[in-house]
Amino acid sequence: EAQVTQNPRYLITVTGKKLTVTCSQNMNHEYMSWYRQDPGLGLRQIYYSMNVEVTDKGDVPEGYKVSRKEKRNFPLILESPSPNQTSLYFCASSLGGTVFNYGYTFGSGTRLTVV
Amino acid sequence: AQSVAQPEDQVNVAEGNPLTVKCTYSVSGNPYLFWYVQYPNRGLQFLLKYITGDNLVKGSYGFEAEFNKSQTSFHLKKPSALVSDSALYFCAVRDPSDMRFGAGTRLTVKP
Repeated sequence: EAQVTQNPRYLITVTGKKLTVTCSQNMNHEYMSWYRQDPGLGLRQIYYSMNVEVTDKGDVPEGYKVSRKEKRNFPLILESPSPNQTSLYFCASSLGGTVFNYGYTFGSGTRLTVV
Repeated sequence: AQSVAQPEDQVNVAEGNPLTVKCTYSVSGNPYLFWYVQYPNRGLQFLLKYITGDNLVKGSYGFEAEFNKSQTSFHLKKPSALVSDSALYFCAVRDPSDMRFGAGTRLTVKP
Protein backbone atom coordinates (compact mmCIF):
# COMPACT_ATOMS: atom_id res chain seq x y z
CA GLU A 1 0.00 0.00 0.00
CA ALA A 2 1.30 3.43 -0.97
CA GLN A 3 1.73 5.44 2.19
CA VAL A 4 3.65 7.87 4.32
CA THR A 5 4.52 6.42 7.72
CA GLN A 6 5.26 8.60 10.71
CA ASN A 7 6.45 7.47 14.12
CA PRO A 8 5.59 7.87 16.87
CA ARG A 9 1.90 8.78 16.74
CA TYR A 10 1.98 10.30 20.19
CA LEU A 11 4.91 11.65 22.18
CA ILE A 12 5.17 13.43 25.51
CA THR A 13 8.61 14.75 26.36
CA VAL A 14 10.31 17.26 28.62
CA THR A 15 11.84 20.57 27.69
CA GLY A 16 15.33 20.23 26.26
CA LYS A 17 15.34 16.50 25.61
CA LYS A 18 16.31 15.86 22.00
CA LEU A 19 13.84 13.89 19.93
CA THR A 20 13.38 12.64 16.39
CA VAL A 21 10.13 12.04 14.53
CA THR A 22 10.61 9.65 11.66
CA CYS A 23 8.92 9.83 8.27
CA SER A 24 9.16 7.26 5.52
CA GLN A 25 7.39 6.97 2.15
CA ASN A 26 7.24 3.99 -0.18
CA MET A 27 6.16 5.78 -3.37
CA ASN A 28 9.59 6.89 -4.63
CA HIS A 29 8.49 10.49 -4.26
CA GLU A 30 11.10 13.18 -4.78
CA TYR A 31 9.44 15.86 -2.66
CA MET A 32 8.89 15.61 1.10
CA SER A 33 7.80 18.18 3.61
CA TRP A 34 7.03 18.68 7.30
CA TYR A 35 4.11 20.70 8.64
CA ARG A 36 2.80 21.62 12.02
CA GLN A 37 -0.91 22.09 12.59
CA ASP A 38 -2.18 24.45 15.25
CA PRO A 39 -5.81 25.48 15.88
CA GLY A 40 -6.85 28.48 13.80
CA LEU A 41 -3.55 28.55 11.92
CA GLY A 42 -4.00 25.68 9.51
CA LEU A 43 -0.85 23.90 8.39
CA ARG A 44 2.45 25.71 8.36
CA GLN A 45 5.48 24.37 6.57
CA ILE A 46 8.57 23.71 8.68
CA TYR A 47 11.06 22.30 6.17
CA TYR A 48 10.89 20.73 2.76
CA SER A 49 13.11 18.68 0.50
CA MET A 50 13.05 18.67 -3.28
CA ASN A 51 15.25 15.58 -3.48
CA VAL A 52 18.01 13.67 -1.70
CA GLU A 53 20.49 15.96 0.04
CA VAL A 54 18.40 19.02 -0.86
CA THR A 55 16.51 20.65 2.01
CA ASP A 56 15.23 24.15 2.63
CA LYS A 57 13.41 26.16 5.25
CA GLY A 58 9.68 26.67 5.22
CA ASP A 59 7.71 29.28 7.10
CA VAL A 60 8.48 28.16 10.67
CA PRO A 61 11.89 26.41 10.75
CA GLU A 62 13.19 27.75 14.09
CA GLY A 63 13.97 25.00 16.55
CA TYR A 64 13.83 22.19 13.98
CA LYS A 65 16.32 20.30 11.83
CA VAL A 66 15.87 17.82 9.01
CA SER A 67 18.00 15.58 6.84
CA ARG A 68 17.41 13.74 3.57
CA LYS A 69 20.10 11.14 3.17
CA GLU A 70 17.83 8.70 1.37
CA LYS A 71 14.89 9.30 -0.89
CA ARG A 72 12.39 7.49 1.30
CA ASN A 73 13.23 9.02 4.70
CA PHE A 74 12.87 12.55 5.99
CA PRO A 75 13.26 12.72 9.79
CA LEU A 76 12.35 15.80 11.82
CA ILE A 77 14.72 16.57 14.67
CA LEU A 78 14.03 18.78 17.66
CA GLU A 79 17.43 19.38 19.30
CA SER A 80 16.05 21.14 22.38
CA PRO A 81 12.26 21.02 22.41
CA SER A 82 10.29 23.80 24.08
CA PRO A 83 6.62 23.99 25.11
CA ASN A 84 5.78 26.20 22.11
CA GLN A 85 6.62 23.23 19.90
CA THR A 86 3.66 21.34 21.31
CA SER A 87 1.65 20.67 18.17
CA LEU A 88 0.37 18.13 15.68
CA TYR A 89 3.00 17.33 13.07
CA PHE A 90 2.49 15.95 9.58
CA CYS A 91 4.90 14.63 7.04
CA ALA A 92 3.88 14.76 3.38
CA SER A 93 5.33 13.60 0.09
CA SER A 94 4.68 14.28 -3.56
CA LEU A 95 5.87 13.09 -6.92
CA GLY A 96 7.98 15.78 -8.54
CA GLY A 97 8.53 18.80 -6.36
CA THR A 98 8.65 21.17 -9.30
CA VAL A 99 5.50 19.81 -10.93
CA PHE A 100 2.62 21.75 -9.52
CA ASN A 101 -0.30 19.56 -10.39
CA TYR A 102 0.55 16.75 -8.00
CA GLY A 103 -1.19 16.63 -4.65
CA TYR A 104 0.39 15.51 -1.43
CA THR A 105 0.17 12.22 0.44
CA PHE A 106 0.14 12.80 4.18
CA GLY A 107 1.19 10.68 7.10
CA SER A 108 -1.21 10.06 9.98
CA GLY A 109 0.40 12.68 12.18
CA THR A 110 2.45 12.88 15.36
CA ARG A 111 0.96 14.62 18.36
CA LEU A 112 3.83 16.07 20.36
CA THR A 113 3.50 17.50 23.85
CA VAL A 114 6.49 19.24 25.44
CA VAL A 115 6.18 19.84 29.18
CA ALA B 1 3.07 34.92 -2.74
CA GLN B 2 0.30 32.43 -3.28
CA SER B 3 -2.36 32.18 -0.59
CA VAL B 4 -5.86 30.97 0.09
CA ALA B 5 -8.45 32.08 2.60
CA GLN B 6 -11.34 30.20 4.12
CA PRO B 7 -13.74 32.80 5.47
CA GLU B 8 -15.78 30.42 7.64
CA ASP B 9 -14.40 28.58 10.66
CA GLN B 10 -17.51 26.45 10.92
CA VAL B 11 -20.27 25.32 8.58
CA ASN B 12 -23.35 23.48 9.81
CA VAL B 13 -25.79 21.74 7.51
CA ALA B 14 -28.55 19.21 7.86
CA GLU B 15 -28.14 15.77 6.37
CA GLY B 16 -29.53 15.64 2.85
CA ASN B 17 -29.10 19.36 2.24
CA PRO B 18 -26.52 20.78 -0.16
CA LEU B 19 -23.29 22.01 1.37
CA THR B 20 -20.77 24.65 0.37
CA VAL B 21 -17.37 25.29 1.94
CA LYS B 22 -15.87 28.54 0.71
CA CYS B 23 -12.34 29.30 -0.43
CA THR B 24 -10.83 32.34 -2.12
CA TYR B 25 -7.36 32.52 -3.57
CA SER B 26 -4.66 35.03 -4.35
CA VAL B 27 -2.04 33.92 -6.85
CA SER B 28 0.28 35.31 -9.46
CA GLY B 29 0.01 33.30 -12.62
CA ASN B 30 -2.09 30.19 -13.05
CA PRO B 31 -3.60 28.78 -9.88
CA TYR B 32 -3.15 25.15 -8.87
CA LEU B 33 -5.87 24.65 -6.29
CA PHE B 34 -6.64 21.70 -4.06
CA TRP B 35 -9.10 20.55 -1.43
CA TYR B 36 -8.17 18.18 1.38
CA VAL B 37 -10.25 16.62 4.15
CA GLN B 38 -9.08 15.67 7.63
CA TYR B 39 -11.02 13.20 9.74
CA PRO B 40 -10.34 12.97 13.50
CA ASN B 41 -6.94 11.48 14.33
CA ARG B 42 -6.04 11.15 10.68
CA GLY B 43 -3.80 12.88 8.20
CA LEU B 44 -5.14 15.03 5.39
CA GLN B 45 -6.64 13.23 2.43
CA PHE B 46 -6.75 14.59 -1.11
CA LEU B 47 -10.27 15.33 -2.39
CA LEU B 48 -9.84 17.11 -5.71
CA LYS B 49 -7.77 19.62 -7.63
CA TYR B 50 -8.08 22.30 -10.28
CA ILE B 51 -5.21 22.67 -12.69
CA THR B 52 -6.82 23.82 -15.92
CA GLY B 53 -9.86 23.08 -18.06
CA ASP B 54 -13.43 22.76 -16.87
CA ASN B 55 -14.40 25.08 -14.06
CA LEU B 56 -16.38 22.34 -12.32
CA VAL B 57 -14.06 19.71 -10.90
CA LYS B 58 -15.33 16.40 -9.56
CA GLY B 59 -13.54 14.58 -6.77
CA SER B 60 -13.80 11.84 -4.18
CA TYR B 61 -16.85 10.99 -2.03
CA GLY B 62 -19.26 12.92 -4.28
CA PHE B 63 -17.59 16.29 -3.73
CA GLU B 64 -17.06 18.84 -6.46
CA ALA B 65 -15.57 22.30 -6.62
CA GLU B 66 -16.27 25.27 -8.79
CA PHE B 67 -13.40 27.41 -9.99
CA ASN B 68 -14.42 31.02 -10.60
CA LYS B 69 -11.66 33.19 -12.00
CA SER B 70 -13.55 36.50 -11.83
CA GLN B 71 -14.36 36.00 -8.15
CA THR B 72 -11.02 34.26 -7.39
CA SER B 73 -12.94 31.51 -5.63
CA PHE B 74 -12.76 27.73 -5.45
CA HIS B 75 -15.74 26.65 -3.36
CA LEU B 76 -16.23 23.02 -2.38
CA LYS B 77 -19.75 21.64 -2.88
CA LYS B 78 -21.82 18.53 -2.45
CA PRO B 79 -25.45 18.19 -3.53
CA SER B 80 -26.56 16.11 -0.55
CA ALA B 81 -24.58 16.09 2.70
CA LEU B 82 -24.00 12.98 4.80
CA VAL B 83 -23.31 12.81 8.54
CA SER B 84 -20.07 11.04 7.62
CA ASP B 85 -18.93 14.18 5.74
CA SER B 86 -18.38 15.88 9.11
CA ALA B 87 -14.67 16.73 9.17
CA LEU B 88 -12.15 19.53 8.81
CA TYR B 89 -11.70 20.78 5.24
CA PHE B 90 -8.67 22.61 3.90
CA CYS B 91 -8.30 24.57 0.72
CA ALA B 92 -4.74 24.84 -0.62
CA VAL B 93 -2.73 26.38 -3.43
CA ARG B 94 0.47 24.97 -4.84
CA ASP B 95 3.53 27.15 -5.29
CA PRO B 96 7.12 26.24 -6.21
CA SER B 97 8.13 25.00 -2.77
CA ASP B 98 4.97 24.47 -0.82
CA MET B 99 1.30 23.62 -0.62
CA ARG B 100 -0.13 26.67 1.16
CA PHE B 101 -3.19 25.85 3.21
CA GLY B 102 -6.09 27.86 4.49
CA ALA B 103 -6.90 27.81 8.18
CA GLY B 104 -9.54 25.14 7.67
CA THR B 105 -13.32 24.94 7.92
CA ARG B 106 -15.01 22.53 10.26
CA LEU B 107 -18.06 20.99 8.62
CA THR B 108 -20.73 19.51 10.84
CA VAL B 109 -23.59 17.61 9.25
CA LYS B 110 -26.48 16.96 11.61
CA PRO B 111 -28.95 14.10 11.21
